[in-house]
Amino acid sequence: EVQLLESGGGLEQPGGSLRLSCAASGFSFSSYAMNWVRQAPGKGLEWVSGISGSGGTTYYADSVKARFTISRDNSKNTLYLQMNSLRVDDTAVYYCAKGSSSGWYRFDCWGQGTLVTVSS
Amino acid sequence: EIVLTQSPGTLSLSPGERATLSCRTSQSISSSYLAWYQQKPGQAPRLLLHGASSRATGVPDRFSGSGSGTDFTLTISRLEPEDFAVYYCQQYGSSRITFGPGTKVDIK
Repeated sequence: EVQLLESGGGLEQPGGSLRLSCAASGFSFSSYAMNWVRQAPGKGLEWVSGISGSGGTTYYADSVKARFTISRDNSKNTLYLQMNSLRVDDTAVYYCAKGSSSGWYRFDCWGQGTLVTVSS
Repeated sequence: EIVLTQSPGTLSLSPGERATLSCRTSQSISSSYLAWYQQKPGQAPRLLLHGASSRATGVPDRFSGSGSGTDFTLTISRLEPEDFAVYYCQQYGSSRITFGPGTKVDIK
């Protein structure tokens, strides 16, 4: 069974940093692209970033480019999101999502999310 | 950036009724790059359809999708109690992914 478990969320001040992790199991992690998608309280879904299976290619939404860095450690089956220069509007539940075998941009499995709150 | 518009914002229906949800894109896209997700309160989203009309694994056949170009539709043929949720369309293009604002299907 595919499982994705996010961690690392919490309360941080504006301008601060957080690193999110997503531990994956139940599939060949290095064979699939992975993504981060966020959802502000009471709002819709926003794709944040994606990374290829090898880690060699990364993609970012304009709203986080140059502030967030996606990475992965295939030896640990873990996906990361380093978030710097945090802003109040980065407050959201952050989900990690597995890319499907037919396209990295289709998310066929999601974790339960970790809440990031940015507030002074 | 391709903007997605979903209508209606809320759809109030009874179990057993047919639901028709619309998703429009600001530019024409390949249907291969259009997906639909379902999200229930307090849960993560779930992939329903990809390629505009292909059901994901385990999705009941009462869910169907159609469309091309800029107009896409998700149809639920007969609403079951577990189908009351928010539905999002999503597109991929130029290494960017965007979601629509969602349609909430609630019980009338």
